[in-house]
Amino acid sequence: DGGITQSPKYLFRKEGQNVTLSCEQNLNHDAMYWYRQDPGQGLRLIYYSQIVNDFQKGDIAEGYSVSREKKESFPLTVTSAQKNPTAFYLCASSETLDPYGYTFGSGTRLTVV
Amino acid sequence: ILNVEQSPQSLHVQEGDSTNFTCSFPSSNFYALHWYRWETAKSPEALFVMTLNGDEKKKGRISATLNTKEGYSYLYIKGSQPEDSATYLCAFFYNQGGKLIFGQGTELSVKP
Repeated sequence: DGGITQSPKYLFRKEGQNVTLSCEQNLNHDAMYWYRQDPGQGLRLIYYSQIVNDFQKGDIAEGYSVSREKKESFPLTVTSAQKNPTAFYLCASSETLDPYGYTFGSGTRLTVV
Repeated sequence: ILNVEQSPQSLHVQEGDSTNFTCSFPSSNFYALHWYRWETAKSPEALFVMTLNGDEKKKGRISATLNTKEGYSYLYIKGSQPEDSATYLCAFFYNQGGKLIFGQGTELSVKP
């Protein structure tokens, strides 16, 4: 079955450590996205990539980094520069610039202690 | 800054009640409006993608309307069931940048 896999589901890290969240898709989608959700807020876009080896900052990119070396993979690194990293992170993919719907992963809940 | 607003933030209804939510979005640079249903511990699931002013879409007991000129969309659920309990997200796709801007969601709870 085609879909998006995010791992792990839950992640705990000590303050000051970088951590990388995995997102893999086998849908052959060109575009991939990372969103963050905080309580009472909508999904906010961190980074997105419309093609391999290219990505753009979203609305809240500070303290995060991404890479897109392969079409199926779009890992997100939460760096120590991110002031408030504890959140729920959701990855999505779509056909390039396709307004007709995203496919989402099931998310990773990151807790920094 | 593009803003997408949803109301109400949460809604508690009894089984069998019909209900509706609102999504407000910028009326300029419109390309598409998405509705997603997000159950706890699952991935958001696409309900509707609406592109034309006056669009009405239906999926079972759930339907949605779109007014792009005034910048709003309504989602209706007829005869709510406990399995309809979820967060309903709307998202605005604007034609500069190729990305979705999400509202904060409406959390629906349907009691048996």
